[in-house]
Amino acid sequence: GAGVSQTPSNKVTEKGKYVELRCDPISGHTALYWYRQSLGQGPEFLIYFQGTGAADDSGLPNDRFFAVRPEGSVSTLKIQRTERGDSAVYLCASSTGETQYFGPGTRLLVL
Amino acid sequence: SQKIEQNSEALNIQEGKTATLTCNYTNYSPAYLQWYRQDPGRGPVFLLLIRENEKEKRKERLKVTFDTTLKQSLFHITASQPADSATYLCALVLMEYGNKLVFGAGTILRVKS
Repeated sequence: GAGVSQTPSNKVTEKGKYVELRCDPISGHTALYWYRQSLGQGPEFLIYFQGTGAADDSGLPNDRFFAVRPEGSVSTLKIQRTERGDSAVYLCASSTGETQYFGPGTRLLVL
Repeated sequence: SQKIEQNSEALNIQEGKTATLTCNYTNYSPAYLQWYRQDPGRGPVFLLLIRENEKEKRKERLKVTFDTTLKQSLFHITASQPADSATYLCALVLMEYGNKLVFGAGTILRVKS
């Protein structure tokens, strides 16, 4: 079956611009997570959805970051007024229990 | 402060040998711990899960131990192969936070033929 997919695979943007990153979870997975991974580091938790609602957004670094999951399936991570420090790989994972299944990530580069 | 530490340097071993990777943590009380494999340009892939009341778990050539007193997990790959070369991440699972994963920085394993 299809795994978690993320689009775009790469995104280059200029400082100050707005970006949207999309995650398509495995069908039927109610839990969805966003992580951010910098070079040489492990993934860092950003936000967790159970169904349509954000159950835990404690990892979002500031109010420029926002995520939605309006129908309990696809999720979009939105970053406003991007900064160079936002450059990283953004990973999405979905789950029905203990194991999380990760997508390939979106590589964001802010120039 | 809360920390998760993995071998900071890459581990280079000869094909056929056993690779042992270490994960130490402080100031966490995880319900369980997971190990993931990550290849360059890809997302992490789940390998094994071990619960706090389990001492050891095996899957094919992989073995994980979990010592909640020492706050340490060891990950072993026996009869290692060049195809095992990757970054291995340990992750603590915090059930009270919706199974949120807290990852270590990972250890790069290189298996030479």
